[in-house]
Amino acid sequence: EVQLVESGGSLVQPGGSLKLSCVASGYTFSNYWMDWVRQTPGKSLEWIGEINTDGSKTNYAPSIKDRFTISRDNAKSTLYLQMSNVKSDDTAIYYCTRFYSGFDYWGQGVMVTVSS
Amino acid sequence: DIQMTQSPPSLSASLGDKVTITCQASQNINKYIAWYQQKPGKAPRQLIRYTSTLVSGTPSRFSGSGSGRDYSFSISNVESEDIASYYCLQYDNLPRTFGGGTKLELK
Repeated sequence: EVQLVESGGSLVQPGGSLKLSCVASGYTFSNYWMDWVRQTPGKSLEWIGEINTDGSKTNYAPSIKDRFTISRDNAKSTLYLQMSNVKSDDTAIYYCTRFYSGFDYWGQGVMVTVSS
Repeated sequence: DIQMTQSPPSLSASLGDKVTITCQASQNINKYIAWYQQKPGKAPRQLIRYTSTLVSGTPSRFSGSGSGRDYSFSISNVESEDIASYYCLQYDNLPRTFGGGTKLELK
């Protein structure tokens, strides 16, 4: 059974940093591109970015480019999202997703709240 | 960026009804659209990929169709467990973009 389990969500001050993790199990992690998607309270879904299978290539949404960094450790089957210079608009539930003809599996999500 | 215009934003249906949700892309997305169901407090769940392919475990009362810029998602014989929000996703181009969502409620 495919499972994606995120961790690291918390309250962070504006301008601060936070790193989210996502541990994958139930499949060969290194065979799939991985993505982060977020959902703001009461609103729709927003794609944040993606990383290729060996971690050599990333793509990001314009709204977060240069502030967030996606990385992965295939030996640990773990995906990361490093968030820096966070803003109040970054308050959201963050989901780790596997990409296969769309986002076929999702983690349970972690809440990130940006507030002073 | 490709804009996905999803309608209606909300839908009220009786059990057994057929409902249809549409997504119009701002440009041709070559059938690279997926549909998701989300229940409160839960992560979205993929129901359909590549316009009309049902994901394993998706009941046959769900269906999708379309081409070019225009796509639709239907539920025939709505059941109580279908009460949820639904989203479309285009994955033809970067950035990936979602529709605004449709909240399905019981009449």
